Amino acid sequence: GAGVSQTPSNKVTEKGKYVELRCDPISGHTALYWYRQSLGQGPEFLIYFQGTGAADDSGLPNDRFFAVRPEGSVSTLKIQRTERGDSAVYLCASSLTSGINEQFFGPGTRLTVL
Amino acid sequence: RKEVEQDPGPFNVPEGATVAFNCTYSNSASQSFFWYRQDCRKEPKLLMSVYSSGNEDGRFTAQLNRASQYISLLIRDSKLSDSATYLCVVRYNDYKLSFGAGTTVTVRA
Repeated sequence: GAGVSQTPSNKVTEKGKYVELRCDPISGHTALYWYRQSLGQGPEFLIYFQGTGAADDSGLPNDRFFAVRPEGSVSTLKIQRTERGDSAVYLCASSLTSGINEQFFGPGTRLTVL
Repeated sequence: RKEVEQDPGPFNVPEGATVAFNCTYSNSASQSFFWYRQDCRKEPKLLMSVYSSGNEDGRFTAQLNRASQYISLLIRDSKLSDSATYLCVVRYNDYKLSFGAGTTVTVRA
């Protein structure tokens, strides 16, 4: 069956630009998560959606980062005025209901800010 | 202080060897514990959950010590395909996973 998919797989942008990263969760999964993984580090939690609403956005580093999930399925992570420090792999995960269920990760989007 | 600390390794072992490593976590309210495996430039995948009584899955054995707040993973009879980064993961609410930075294991022929 189809797993979590993320597009694009790679994104190169210039400092100050706006980017959108997309996540398609596993069909039927109501919970969706975004994580960020910097080189040599483990993934760090950014935001958790239960359905359409962001249940916990405490991991978003600042107000340049925003995420939406308008129909409770696909989610978009939006980064404004990108900075070089935003360069990382952005991972999306989904689970059947809450996080008590296993979180399945997508392949990630590798963002490079020049 | 990081929530989850791991020895980064690398652990470089021959095929057939046993390799073991652990991690420590700082939040005593942590509820659930896992080992994830991550291959180079791939996504993390759940290897196994870790239970207080200790548990095995084939050649992999995980242990949890709540009093000392550490988790261990032991791999017996290492295979070339075991080469990966192993991420120690802790969950202390219903959804947020806290990852360690990972322990790199390389199994050589």
